[in-house]
Amino acid sequence: GNSVTQMEGPVTLSEEAFLTINCTYTATGYPSLFWYVQYPGEGLQLLLKATKADDKGSNKGFEATYRKETTSFHLEKGSVQVSDSAVYFCALGASSASKIIFGSGTRLSIRP
Amino acid sequence: DGGITQSPKYLFRKEGQNVTLSCEQNLNHDAMYWYRQDPGQGLRLIYYSQIVNDFQKGDIAEGYSVSREKKESFPLTVTSAQKNPTAFYLCASSGTSGRLYNEQFFGPGTRLTVL
Repeated sequence: GNSVTQMEGPVTLSEEAFLTINCTYTATGYPSLFWYVQYPGEGLQLLLKATKADDKGSNKGFEATYRKETTSFHLEKGSVQVSDSAVYFCALGASSASKIIFGSGTRLSIRP
Repeated sequence: DGGITQSPKYLFRKEGQNVTLSCEQNLNHDAMYWYRQDPGQGLRLIYYSQIVNDFQKGDIAEGYSVSREKKESFPLTVTSAQKNPTAFYLCASSGTSGRLYNEQFFGPGTRLTVL
């Protein structure tokens, strides 16, 4: 079946550090891939997406590339800020049903 | 502005009482969803609806009920049969256009506390 595995947290970095949050998936067919971000006490917001192999999603300095050969969609940012502190969810869109499979989330904390 | 609204933001309930959480969207989306989130945990799907007057159980439907009488509304009732209802509840919706069919948009959430 379809599944998403993402890096366990919490992840703590200093401001301006480089960020990578790993995400790998298992799926049949050609799923869409997403990264969502959740700030404290709020709902989830779509951060970026990719719908086919080798697509790169980007937004607010974050990037992720859909790698079919390694079944991965790692989230990266070159220089994190305190305001990036949040929980990040990797997700997969199952083409056969109207549902999304979410990873377990990775909590990111950035020190000033 | 288009979006999803959930009310109330905070809700308190006594044990043994049913409570209904509201979710409204003006995005003209066909599909709507309810998720439960516990502290430090990911999302678990409670119910979803792909079309008006139809809905399916998710992974943790026991103790919950829903209705979908209008396209824009998908209320969730937490019944007294739900043994551990204290959690953060998130509503979402998605449209039906092409490969973005599964992209979901979320409301701000309702935090339910059972006293």
